[in-house]
Amino acid sequence: SQQGEEDPQALSIQEGENATMNCSYKTSINNLQWYRQNSGRGLVHLILIRSNEREKHSGRLRVTLDTSKKSSSLLITASRAADTASYFCATALIDFNKFYFGSGTKLNVKP
Amino acid sequence: EAQVTQNPRYLITVTGKKLTVTCSQNMNHEYMSWYRQDPGLGLRQIYYSMNVEVTDKGDVPEGYKVSRKEKRNFPLILESPSPNQTSLYFCASSLVRGNGYTFGSGTRLTVV
Repeated sequence: SQQGEEDPQALSIQEGENATMNCSYKTSINNLQWYRQNSGRGLVHLILIRSNEREKHSGRLRVTLDTSKKSSSLLITASRAADTASYFCATALIDFNKFYFGSGTKLNVKP
Repeated sequence: EAQVTQNPRYLITVTGKKLTVTCSQNMNHEYMSWYRQDPGLGLRQIYYSMNVEVTDKGDVPEGYKVSRKEKRNFPLILESPSPNQTSLYFCASSLVRGNGYTFGSGTRLTVV
């Protein structure tokens, strides 16, 4: 991929556990975003973190960004079966002329 | 309800038969984009538009055309579809480029 690579590719956990997904990218960015996709459906925007931010929270979601390591992580706390989906990171480059999606992490939350 | 509407949701067509996938948004967004999603390749940008009459190629524009005559509509045109264009297509919009996208529900296209 030209930009985002998620890790792991797949993750299976029990309901109530926390889920952590990582994203690495290659070039300097303006912001990084996380999206969720339920099977075959459109992506849903979850959270945007700008390059000058280090951490951001939204409900049960916590996103961190380390620009020195060119990486981000998405933490979903107290996961639910309804969180089962694929999660993608997307990077907006410095001058916004490109916007890249990673390959995604498939999360399965077992009831 | 704020949304991006794509039509059709499913389409099976034959090689060479021109088709158009429509996309409309009701949020007065300036930026619109088309992506295709293929297993193992993720989402790849086909074309984008920063405003009316302003369009530009993404990473995989070959075989596709777009137009942006009105702010709300951004149709994707396949003049002569081929089997390698079989894919799941998404239209997306955002208030400005680089902000969070609102995605349509997708169009699953099969070219036989």
